[in-house]
Amino acid sequence: NAGVTQTPKFRILKIGQSMTLQCTQDMNHNYMYWYRQDPGMGLKLIYYSVGAGITDKGEVPNGYNVSRSTTEDFPLRLELAAPSQTSVYFCASSTLQGAREQYFGPGTRLTVT
Amino acid sequence: DAKTTQPPSMDCAEGRAANLPCNHSTISGNEYVYWYRQIHSQGPQYIIHGLKNNETNEMASLIITEDRKSSTLILPHATLRDTAVYYCIVRVPNFGNEKLTFGTGTRLTIIP
Repeated sequence: NAGVTQTPKFRILKIGQSMTLQCTQDMNHNYMYWYRQDPGMGLKLIYYSVGAGITDKGEVPNGYNVSRSTTEDFPLRLELAAPSQTSVYFCASSTLQGAREQYFGPGTRLTVT
Repeated sequence: DAKTTQPPSMDCAEGRAANLPCNHSTISGNEYVYWYRQIHSQGPQYIIHGLKNNETNEMASLIITEDRKSSTLILPHATLRDTAVYYCIVRVPNFGNEKLTFGTGTRLTIIP
């Protein structure tokens, strides 16, 4: 299993541009999550999904959109990028039952200038 | 979710067992104890979890006290690659309780 994969690894955006961060998992997990981590800070939940077609906001959803058309994929879209969105973005997934421990991808480092 | 307390930093000699403590004195009966780590610039990595019993997997062992108010993560033969920040998290895996809250963790440095 590849686990959770994310692309791209790095990206530089100009203010006002848009982009999509890709996330794929091959563990057949129902739950998927997007977090952001600012330098020296903890993770903040942006959006999550409990299954295909179902998404919900986390604690910092403004400026982002998500969709979940398949179990495997959970892309995060940034519209009108702003410097405040400079961060490292992590995607994670977990099972529906039990302790629901989360498995994370390697992250996408995004800079908005 | 219950609050956890961890020492800010620890050193351990390479090849020795690293014992990382966590205090969670306000834990409730249905809260799990999870351990994650984050190696510099990488995604958090799930290590192990437990509810009441001690647990062991290929990465580590988790010892939970009988009253469940504290736990210890044990890395049996620490290597330089185990240098990371280790997070102890206590939560109930319920619908509507989705986010993982990482505290400040313990920065573990493995000394050659």
